[in-house]
Amino acid sequence: AQKVTQAQTEISVVEKEDVTLDCVYETRDTTYYLFWYKQPPSGELVFLIRRNSFDEQNEISGRYSWNFQKSTSSFNFTITASQVVDSAVYFCALSEAGSGGGADGLTFGKGTHLIIQP
Amino acid sequence: KAGVTQTPRYLIKTRGQQVTLSCSPISGHRSVSWYQQTPGQGLQFLFEYFSETQRNKGNFPGRFSGRQFSNSRSEMNVSTLELGDSALYLCATQAGEYTDTQYFGPGTRLTVL
Repeated sequence: AQKVTQAQTEISVVEKEDVTLDCVYETRDTTYYLFWYKQPPSGELVFLIRRNSFDEQNEISGRYSWNFQKSTSSFNFTITASQVVDSAVYFCALSEAGSGGGADGLTFGKGTHLIIQP
Repeated sequence: KAGVTQTPRYLIKTRGQQVTLSCSPISGHRSVSWYQQTPGQGLQFLFEYFSETQRNKGNFPGRFSGRQFSNSRSEMNVSTLELGDSALYLCATQAGEYTDTQYFGPGTRLTVL
């Protein structure tokens, strides 16, 4: 069965520091998708990035970057020059094909609570 | 494009009652998934509907059910509420394939007293 592990329950850094959130996944499928979502206090999950299992290219979007390594089953997320507005809970998730077609639900990690102190 | 909407945003019920939550997807999205989020269990998949049919299902008791209408709007029903059903219920919609990104609504906060 698939599994996503986010070992860091909470991280606290001072504004402008760089911070990396770790994500390790387990799956037997060769085709799968990985995601990062952000959940601010309001509760809504905000989509950040999607990666498919065949694309190991790292991605950078502004202050955000993602490092996908199939060899270690990891999909880590780095925020450069963190800001107070980055404070939120961040979830890593895995998607596989469902037996009925479509997605068999996203499998989420437990989340990392990121606190950026001014 | 309007995002995913969920109603109501907050609900307070007592044990034994039943509740119905609603989700309206992004225009053009035909798949609707439901998730339960609790502090103890985290985010857990309930079920997914596509073209008015339940296509995938998580590991929840039969008290949790859903349906989808021809306009892709979906409802989720929980019968005989238990204290442990208190949670944030999130709806996510996607175009249709598992390769598509799921976009989430703001959630319905259910409190069972």
